[in-house]
Amino acid sequence: GENVEQHPSTLSVQEGDSAVIKCTYSDSASNYFPWYKQELGKRPQLIIDIRSNVGEKKDQRIAVTLNKTAKHFSLHITETQPEDSAVYFCAAKGENTGFQKLVFGTGTRLLVSP
Amino acid sequence: NAGVTQTPKFQVLKTGQSMTLQCAQDMNHNSMYWYRQDPGMGLRLIYYSASEGTTDKGEVPNGYNVSRLNKREFSLRLESAAPSQTSVYFCASSPGRYTEAFFGQGTRLTVV
Repeated sequence: GENVEQHPSTLSVQEGDSAVIKCTYSDSASNYFPWYKQELGKRPQLIIDIRSNVGEKKDQRIAVTLNKTAKHFSLHITETQPEDSAVYFCAAKGENTGFQKLVFGTGTRLLVSP
Repeated sequence: NAGVTQTPKFQVLKTGQSMTLQCAQDMNHNSMYWYRQDPGMGLRLIYYSASEGTTDKGEVPNGYNVSRLNKREFSLRLESAAPSQTSVYFCASSPGRYTEAFFGQGTRLTVV
């Protein structure tokens, strides 16, 4: 089955710096890769996603890159702000049952210091 | 439009008791999921249902059963609760293949 690994587990940056979170996946047939942000005590919410036929996608300060050959995808946050502090999860949808199985990484706790 | 609704929000069980966590979505989504979230472990998939009438095991199905009652509802049952099942449980739903999952507000379950 699909396995998603995520690094680092914690990341501390200064306000204005960039942050990069990396994930790898095991199922070469995976074709959808979302990223979620979870603030303390709240539910995870989607911040950006990418399909396997696209190499990069940007949305203001957030971007995701995908390397299908290496089975690797990354989240890039530029000009970080204190409100970016949260736990971030990557995920992948694999081949089982019509690509409906959504498996998550273990999460990265991002702390942005003013 | 409430999205994904989970009940209850909090629950304390004694070891060996049983209970069912309820989940309903009003977005006409095909797929539904149950995850558990433990510190440092991320979101681990317990069971999922790709469509009405089908259910499949996820990464950590032992000790749980599910029922996809209809397109709207997907319940998670603990037949004999154990302290290791203390966790925050999230239900989620998704329209289809290349689409995000929408999460409920979570159920915090403590087994003593």
